[in-house]
Amino acid sequence: ETGVTQTPRHLVMGMTNKKSLKCEQHLGHNAMYWYKQSAKKPLELMFVYNFKEQTENNSVPSRFSPECPNSSHLFLHLHTLQPEDSALYLCASSQAGEVSGEQFFGPGTRLTVL
Amino acid sequence: AQKVTQAQTEISVVEKEDVTLDCVYETRDTTYYLFWYKQPPSGELVFLIRRNSFDEQNEISGRYSWNFQKSTSSFNFTITASQVVDSAVYFCALSVNFGNEKLTFGTGTRLTIIP
Repeated sequence: ETGVTQTPRHLVMGMTNKKSLKCEQHLGHNAMYWYKQSAKKPLELMFVYNFKEQTENNSVPSRFSPECPNSSHLFLHLHTLQPEDSALYLCASSQAGEVSGEQFFGPGTRLTVL
Repeated sequence: AQKVTQAQTEISVVEKEDVTLDCVYETRDTTYYLFWYKQPPSGELVFLIRRNSFDEQNEISGRYSWNFQKSTSSFNFTITASQVVDSAVYFCALSVNFGNEKLTFGTGTRLTIIP
């Protein structure tokens, strides 16, 4: 595997379900991100992890719970979501602290909340 | 606060035509970084270019070129001799941090190249 991978690619869940999104980066980066992409809205940064420590929580509701067990893996735990949470969730990684100019993105998980 | 505006929601051009995607940004910081990303139908965003606020030189990479003008706070992207493979959503983004930990994205421009 190369780059940034995300599983599952598609997820349909009810409002009472609990599910998790997984992201893995194979680039040796030390920063990882979760973004939410809704139709006709800018990409919204949700969480940032640098060296496994959360450095940004962009006022995200508590029904979204991130977990970063190591610098290569990032999870987004979901529970009691709302239909308006349906969106494409993108994971990205970068080498924080360097002016590399580049965040590498995964293909995203298309989430539908019924 | 930072803001990025991409006023063009959708653009369609016939193959081989040139097309320019507009990006206007707002920031009070004097040091900042501007980016363009491409999002093909597969979903992942692909990095195209980064520019820092001290470098106003325009850049050309193959059929792609970028025009950075601080006077108008714009960072426009031109594709010359467009091809069907250029069809995608293009995002302009801004960061004021060292590195790129917090990117502020525009709403994107959906570009369709008609064969």
